[in-house]
Amino acid sequence: GENVEQHPSTLSVQEGDSAVIKCTYSDSASNYFPWYKQELGKRPQLIIDIRSNVGEKKDQRIAVTLNKTAKHFSLHITETQPEDSAVYFCAASESLGLIFGQGTTLQVKP
Amino acid sequence: DGGITQSPKYLFRKEGQNVTLSCEQNLNHDAMYWYRQDPGQGLRLIYYSQIVNDFQKGDIAEGYSVSREKKESFPLTVTSAQKNPTAFYLCASNHGQVPEAFFGQGTRLTVV
Repeated sequence: GENVEQHPSTLSVQEGDSAVIKCTYSDSASNYFPWYKQELGKRPQLIIDIRSNVGEKKDQRIAVTLNKTAKHFSLHITETQPEDSAVYFCAASESLGLIFGQGTTLQVKP
Repeated sequence: DGGITQSPKYLFRKEGQNVTLSCEQNLNHDAMYWYRQDPGQGLRLIYYSQIVNDFQKGDIAEGYSVSREKKESFPLTVTSAQKNPTAFYLCASNHGQVPEAFFGQGTRLTVV
């Protein structure tokens, strides 16, 4: 089945800097790659997603890139703000539904 | 707020007891999922169901059971066979053709 690896597990940046989180997946049949943001004690919320027929997608300060050949995709957050502090999860879809990475705790220091 | 509701928000269980976590959705989604979240381990799939009266084991199904008698409901029972049940449990759903998953607000289960 699908296996998703996510790095780094923790990331600390200064406000205004960029943050990059990377994920790799194992199943070449996966075709949907969402990113979720989870604030403390709350449910994960979808922030951006990308399908396998697209290499890059951007939404304001957030962008996702996908390299299907290498089986990896990344989340890029520019001009980080303190409210970006949260746990971020990547996921890849397969027949079982969404398989998640281990999560990255992002801390943005003011 | 997303149309998927979990209850209760907090649940305490004595050792040796079975407990059932509720998950209800009014989004007309075919598929429903249960995930377990432990610190530093992300979201691990317990069970999933693509249609009514059918469900499949995920990666960590041992000690858990589910039912899917109605499209809207997918309750999870944590049995006494689950040796380390203290965790945050998340239910999710999506439509078969639209993979975006919506999550419930979660149930925090603590064994006392």
